[in-house]
Amino acid sequence: DAKTTQPNSMESNEEEPVHLPCNHSTISGTDYIHWYRQLPSQGPEYVIHGLTSNVNNRMASLAIAEDRKSSTLILHRATLRDAAVYYCILKPQEYPSGGGADGLTFGKGTHLIIQP
Amino acid sequence: DARVTQTPRHKVTEMGQEVTMRCQPILGHNTVFWYRQTMMQGLELLAYFRNRAPLDDSGMPKDRFSAEMPDATLATLKIQPSEPRDSAVYFCASGSARARTQETQYFGPGTRLLVL
Repeated sequence: DAKTTQPNSMESNEEEPVHLPCNHSTISGTDYIHWYRQLPSQGPEYVIHGLTSNVNNRMASLAIAEDRKSSTLILHRATLRDAAVYYCILKPQEYPSGGGADGLTFGKGTHLIIQP
Repeated sequence: DARVTQTPRHKVTEMGQEVTMRCQPILGHNTVFWYRQTMMQGLELLAYFRNRAPLDDSGMPKDRFSAEMPDATLATLKIQPSEPRDSAVYFCASGSARARTQETQYFGPGTRLLVL
């Protein structure tokens, strides 16, 4: 399975943008890039995912490098509630038969600290 | 607001006792995952089901762990006999798989298990 590399921790100030990097140099052409986060004492929570193009949703933006070997999760205006561990995960495209979609393989993620 | 529910939220038991954890997936979701989280190993996939059929349980210790889906609204994870090394937070997640789409997983709050 292709692996991802993320910084162990990052620190940012409240109400400032945060850019969380992820390297995935061995990504295959059919791997999607998923981001989940885990707030303290909670289960992981889906944030965003993409394949080749940049993606935006109400929580964040995902910027994917042209060669797809890296990506960046962007929180446009961090709040204290965004303090969490952020996981970058590669997930194979689901097979045409509809089966074989694997579970998520979590790494250590990036521990994001937000300073007031 | 649809969410995955897990019971019990906390469980303290003695070594050798049977432990049963329950999960109610989001109504209409056809895929259920079981994960375990420890400080040492992080988040690991134990098993998952699609349309109530087990697809992969390779992450689960076979001799003491068992996972079932008696019906579409209930998934269970059982440990018998339990051991101190089973102490962890066990998460259930559900998703709605469609062919050629990426499945988003929705996690429950977890069952925090302590085996003495």
